[in-house]
Amino acid sequence: GAGVSQTPSNKVTEKGKYVELRCDPISGHTALYWYRQSLGQGPEFLIYFQGTGAADDSGLPNDRFFAVRPEGSVSTLKIQRTERGDSAVYLCASSPGLAGFQETQYFGPGTRLLVL
Amino acid sequence: AQKVTQAQTEISVVEKEDVTLDCVYETRDTTYYLFWYKQPPSGELVFLIRRNSFDEQNEISGRYSWNFQKSTSSFNFTITASQVVDSAVYFCALSEARSNTGKLIFGQGTTLQVKP
Repeated sequence: GAGVSQTPSNKVTEKGKYVELRCDPISGHTALYWYRQSLGQGPEFLIYFQGTGAADDSGLPNDRFFAVRPEGSVSTLKIQRTERGDSAVYLCASSPGLAGFQETQYFGPGTRLLVL
Repeated sequence: AQKVTQAQTEISVVEKEDVTLDCVYETRDTTYYLFWYKQPPSGELVFLIRRNSFDEQNEISGRYSWNFQKSTSSFNFTITASQVVDSAVYFCALSEARSNTGKLIFGQGTTLQVKP
């Protein structure tokens, strides 16, 4: 079946602009995660959804970052007033959502964000 | 605090050589899972293996093998008879029961270059 998809693949924006990044998880997966990967680093957790609710948003760096998942499927990561330091690859992952920390997460190809 | 350390930033080998990628983790939890992911140049994280904290049996899958030792908090990954297609960044990751969310804590990654 189809894996996790993310759009756009690449996004270039100017400092101060607003961006939205979309994630479409594997069908039937109720758990959805966002991570951010800076150049040369491992991915860092941002936020976790179980169904429609954000069960853990402890990784969001500040209040410019926000994510939603209104129908429990597609999720959108929103970044306001972008800064050059927000430039990174934003990765989305999903898992079945039945066994929490025991589950394998499957990752999408990521969105490469560049803030000029 | 929880942490994953991959001390080898880059490794370069010649095809057919065996190579071991090191992973050392820190956690106060007694129940946790360890993972290895491969990130080829295309950027998508590919799941390789998952291991729970109660199962210290080594695992072999084709040319890949994993050595989990709780006594040294290590989960090392060996590729036997390496091939050029093994060239990628490899990440070790930790998921703890106490987080209850399954968020992954990644190491910095090890870049493996296999030369023909």
